[in-house]
Amino acid sequence: AQKITQTQPGMFVQEKEAVTLDCTYDTSDQSYGLFWYKQPSSGEMIFLIYQGSYDEQNATEGRYSLNFQKARKSANLVISASQLGDSAMYFCAMRDRGAGGTSYGKLTFGQGTILTVHP
Amino acid sequence: DTGVSQDPRHKITKRGQNVTFRCDPISEHNRLYWYRQTLGQGPEFLTYFQNEAQLEKSRLLSDRFSAERPKGSFSTLEIQRTEQGDSAMYLCASSLPGTSGGAGEQFFGPGTRLTVL
Repeated sequence: AQKITQTQPGMFVQEKEAVTLDCTYDTSDQSYGLFWYKQPSSGEMIFLIYQGSYDEQNATEGRYSLNFQKARKSANLVISASQLGDSAMYFCAMRDRGAGGTSYGKLTFGQGTILTVHP
Repeated sequence: DTGVSQDPRHKITKRGQNVTFRCDPISEHNRLYWYRQTLGQGPEFLTYFQNEAQLEKSRLLSDRFSAERPKGSFSTLEIQRTEQGDSAMYLCASSLPGTSGGAGEQFFGPGTRLTVL
């Protein structure tokens, strides 16, 4: 069974500074995908960034980067130059291979980290 | 708006009643997923479809829960004989086919918040 662990219930950061949100995972699969989603107070889940298990380079999307350390089974999210609008709940998730060996299975989510950006 | 839509956005019902939620995915997405999220927790997987075929169901999905996607487009999630423990946000997501390559990220709808009194 897959498991995602986010050990930081809450994080605080000053505006314009960088922040790292931790995520560790456990799986016996060789092929998997790792995702980060943002959930503002409005409730909608917003996709931020993706890392495939076979990707050799860390993923980057604008101010978001994923620090992928496969041997340690960690996939930390780094947000650079934090903005007030970054205040939200952040979820790390893993996608399994899915039924019948198809590649796009369900997501398993962590417990989330609430990020608060101070002005 | 071409995103995932869900209806209704809020539903209040009495224990024992049946409720049905609808999800309309992004039109070119053949994968459709249902998740349940309780306050302060991450979403939990319920079930997912590829076109009209239901490929996987969670053990969380008791016999009171049933989901359909009859024509491979919209999907419905029905909860029979609701219980107070069913109170949660029900999220629908869709994604491109697995053969399309890329990240295959799931795009989520705004959710349906169910309150069982």
